[in-house]
Amino acid sequence: GGIITQTPKFLIGQEGQKLTLKCQQNFNHDTMYWYRQDSGKGLRLIYYSITENDLQKGDLSEGYDASREKKSSFSLTVTSAQKNEMAVFLCASKDKFSYEQYFGPGTRLTVL
Amino acid sequence: AQSVDQPDAHVTLYEGASLELRCSYSYSAAPYLFWYVQYPGQSLQFLLKYITGDAVVKGTKGFEAEFRKSNSSFNLKKSPAHWSDSAKYFCALEGTGANTGKLTFGHGTILRVHP
Repeated sequence: GGIITQTPKFLIGQEGQKLTLKCQQNFNHDTMYWYRQDSGKGLRLIYYSITENDLQKGDLSEGYDASREKKSSFSLTVTSAQKNEMAVFLCASKDKFSYEQYFGPGTRLTVL
Repeated sequence: AQSVDQPDAHVTLYEGASLELRCSYSYSAAPYLFWYVQYPGQSLQFLLKYITGDAVVKGTKGFEAEFRKSNSSFNLKKSPAHWSDSAKYFCALEGTGANTGKLTFGHGTILRVHP
């Protein structure tokens, strides 16, 4: 089996700061995702990538950048952290045969 | 555009009852539909999917769902419910064609099953 790891688990930043979240998968999946989950709400797609060096914007891409330099890793950058941005950020990868997504444990962002 | 609606924010029932969590979607083509579950303090886990074929699909943990094109629904069902089914359930839609890979999730339904 495989695993998705997200670092860091907790991220505390200052308002206006640039912050980077990292995700690694060893499933050898082509497609990877970044979602934001706000308390009590659903998941909103920020960016996804269907292959190495590909980037596709989701519904919530404004204020974020992403990078997929290797098949196994997908990074998300908050370009200027805002206090209303406190949420859990989930990374996922998709099995192209089963269509199933596998999710990482999340990074909880707090902005002071 | 694609969207998913889960109209019930909370569902509460007693163990042994039948559960049905509602999901409706909006998409101009044939969608891929999914249900995921999130237990407290954990990340999301896959339950089941509809890609094509039989309208009733079975998944893990005894769950099944029925795809109804006529009213754009994909409701999740299980009978009987068990207290361990208490969790948050998300319905999701993946676009096809030019939107292949793009996932849209509903806001989720919190299920509470009393012992």
